[in-house]
Parts: sequence; structure tokens; C-alpha cells
Amino acid sequence: QVHLQESGPGLVKPSETLSLICTVSGDSVSNKNYYWSWIRQPPGKGLEWLGYIFHTGDSNYNPSLKRRVAMSLDTSKNQFSLKLTSMTAADTAVYYCARDRVRGVLRVFDIWGQGTVVSVSS
Amino acid sequence: DIQMTQSPSSLSASVGDRVTITCQANQDISTYLNWYQQKPGKAPRLLIHDAFNVEVGVPSRFSGSGSGTHFTFTISSLQPEDIATYYCQQYDSLPRFTFGPGTKVEIK
Repeated sequence: QVHLQESGPGLVKPSETLSLICTVSGDSVSNKNYYWSWIRQPPGKGLEWLGYIFHTGDSNYNPSLKRRVAMSLDTSKNQFSLKLTSMTAADTAVYYCARDRVRGVLRVFDIWGQGTVVSVSS
Repeated sequence: DIQMTQSPSSLSASVGDRVTITCQANQDISTYLNWYQQKPGKAPRLLIHDAFNVEVGVPSRFSGSGSGTHFTFTISSLQPEDIATYYCQQYDSLPRFTFGPGTKVEIK
């Protein structure tokens, strides 16, 4: 059974950098059949895709985040991570990691972590 | 950018009712459309992929249809455990992923 678990600080100060880790069990982040994504949800609002990373290190980010976001993989620990710079109150959200299943051109987020709450406040 | 709309934004129905939610894209997305269920305080759960394929383990009362710009999600007989917010999600060729604003389903 595949399980994803987010970890990281629950509170970040404005202008600081958020660092989150997603630990994968039951699958490998090196599996060529999957990408690994981050998605967030502000309180009471909808879902926003932040970006994904592939086992090759290739990544693709939401243009709305411009140059604030970066993702990486640690295959030795079977983890992938998110860094989001210049945090503001608007970045307060539940952050989810998710497995992005690939079948040809077909894509879907089939497994999600439970989510981690991140608040931005001084 | 591809924008998604959903209607209604919320609905109230009785147990056993047929419930239908629509999702519309502002340009042709073929069948690159997925549906998720999110219960309060929980992560989203995949129900339908590629417009009409029911994910393994998902009850058969859930179904999807549509292609191009207009899509429909149906619960054939609403159950108390179906209380949740339902999101459509599209992906384009880049790919970029966009979620609809969600439809909150409640029991009358």
C-alpha cells in the first residue's frame, strides 16, 4: 500500500522560506511511471497545483509562483521536497504531496498525503 | 490559461437522490478531466479519471461523462457518506493542472 506523508514547520515568518518534505512508502520516487507533485489549499478555498518533479530531476512549476518555488528528490531517503521562498500570509494553506500517475499522456493524482498545515505569521 | 467552472457551487439532496454536477472548461480539453472527493479535514480522493473511468475501489454509484468543454459527474443514489466537496481537475499539454472551484454536497 502506497503512503505519502508530509513533514515540516507548521509556522513560518513572513519573507522566510518554507521547506516541506514528503516521505513515500510502498513505492519508489524513482518509479518512471509517476511524477511527484505538491498541491495546496488555503483555508476554506479550493486546490492549487504548485508543481511536480520526476525521477530524472525534471520539474514543472505553476507559473503563478514565478521563481519562488523549487522541488527536489532524495532517492536515498525516498523523499521529495518543496521550497517556497518569500512567504506571505497568502501562502497560508494546507500543503499536500501527491503521486501523479502517468499513462501515456494521461495524468491523475491518484495517491495523496494527509496534508500539513502551514501558517505564515510573525 | 485553461479556466474551469463548476455548477452548482453547493447543493442539498435527499438520501437516494440522483445528484449531478457539471464542470466546464473555457477551451477544448478532450477527456483530460478528473474528479475528486474531499471530505472535511481530509485529503482529496480520486474518483473518476479521464472523464469517465471509475478508479479502482470506487463505488459504482459514481460516474462521469463528457468531452471537449462540458463534463458531468453523477452520484446515482446519494448516500450519507457522500457528504463532501467535489472538484473537477483538468490538465493540458504542457502540462499544467487546474482545479475547479468545487461543489459542496449536503444531505437535505
